[in-house]
Formats: sequence, structure tokens, C-alpha cells
Amino acid sequence: AQSVTQPDIHITVSEGASLELRCNYSYGATPYLFWYVQSPGQGLQLLLKYFSGDTLVQGIKGFEAEFKRSQSSFNLRKPSVHWSDAAEYFCAVGAWDFNKFYFGSGTKLNVKP
Amino acid sequence: SAVISQKPSRDICQRGTSLTIQCQVDSQVTMMFWYRQQPGQSLTLIATANQGSEATYESGFVIDKFPISRPNLTFSTLTVSNMSPEDSSIYLCSVEDMGTGDQSGANVLTFGAGSRLTVL
Repeated sequence: AQSVTQPDIHITVSEGASLELRCNYSYGATPYLFWYVQSPGQGLQLLLKYFSGDTLVQGIKGFEAEFKRSQSSFNLRKPSVHWSDAAEYFCAVGAWDFNKFYFGSGTKLNVKP
Repeated sequence: SAVISQKPSRDICQRGTSLTIQCQVDSQVTMMFWYRQQPGQSLTLIATANQGSEATYESGFVIDKFPISRPNLTFSTLTVSNMSPEDSSIYLCSVEDMGTGDQSGANVLTFGAGSRLTVL
């Protein structure tokens, strides 16, 4: 069965520190992989997407993610976190048919000053 | 990328009543999607709405509870009928979209800001 797992419900990092949010997926075919961010009271904003090619994907706001097929992972990283990055982050997997689009349970990021 | 407007942004409703959420897109789109995000949980697809045909519902969601309209290529509504406290959620409208900037040329899902419903 298709699924997305984000093992960390909450993460707290200090401003300026590096960040890695974990995402593991289970999907029968070659997936599209996405990271979205949801700020309080806002909808979901796309950070980045992996479809094919280079397994290291650059996104907006200085985020990047690396697709590792052997580990079924698509972890999100940022070298230096800013206070404005505090939000909830969702990993998602999908295919051409967007009915087959699965979201992880989300990771809430807190940023300490 | 598409800009999606949802109304209402939030509402407090009484048990047993119904509420209709509107979703307006600034461009014509083939498919529109309705998601539910229950408190502390992830997003669950309710249904897919195509213009000119009945919505396609996911397992666990039925038309009588969540009737959907799709009168044209830029607009859709979702009604939450006979509400109970368990229906308290954020309801999100989304569309398949061509990304912009770094995501240019990539099909993505673009979301509205959501409608936060609290049922008392």
C-alpha cells in the first residue's frame, strides 16, 4: 500500500542551525515526491518537487531535498534555519494521476532565537 | 501559478447544520480537488471535481455528506452536510497546476488557504 511516513512530529532547532526533516515513502511505481510548507492560517505552499534526474533537488527559501531510492527516502534540508521557517512541513508522494497523492502526517518545526 | 480563493476562511457552526465552502481559481483548470485536514493530522482527499461530471469520491466519503458542485472551469463548492463535531477540520481546495520559478514546467498541486470549520 502507498504511504508516506514522517517520523518526527515536532522538531525544535536554533536559528542559524542546520535542519533535516525526514520522509520515507512506500509506493509501487516511480513516484513524484514533494515537500510542502504550511504556515499558521495558510494553505500549503510547494517547496520543491522531485520527478526524475538529479536526485538532489533545490527548492524555494533555501531548501533542498535528496531522493534516495535505496532507502525510499526524500529528506528535506536547510543549512541555516531562519525564524520565519517555523511552520508545518508535509512530505507527499504522487503520480501522474493526482488522485493517487498521499501526504505524510507532517512535522512541526519550531525555531528558537 | 494559479491563485485560489476560498470562502469562508473560518466559521463556527452548530451541530446538524450545513455549510458550503466556495473555491474560486483565477484560471481555468480541468480538475479541482477537495482535501480535509483534521486537527493534528495530515491531508486526506475527499473528492475530485471535474467540470461537467459528477465528483469522484474517495473511500470513506459520500456524496450525501459532502455534495460538490463544479459549474465551470474556475469554480467549485463543497458542502459539509448535517455537521457534527467530528467534521471540525480545515477543508482545502486544490488544483493541478503548472509550477513557476524553480518548479517551472512541473505539474504540482496548488492549494487555497483553507476553510477552518469548528462544529459545536
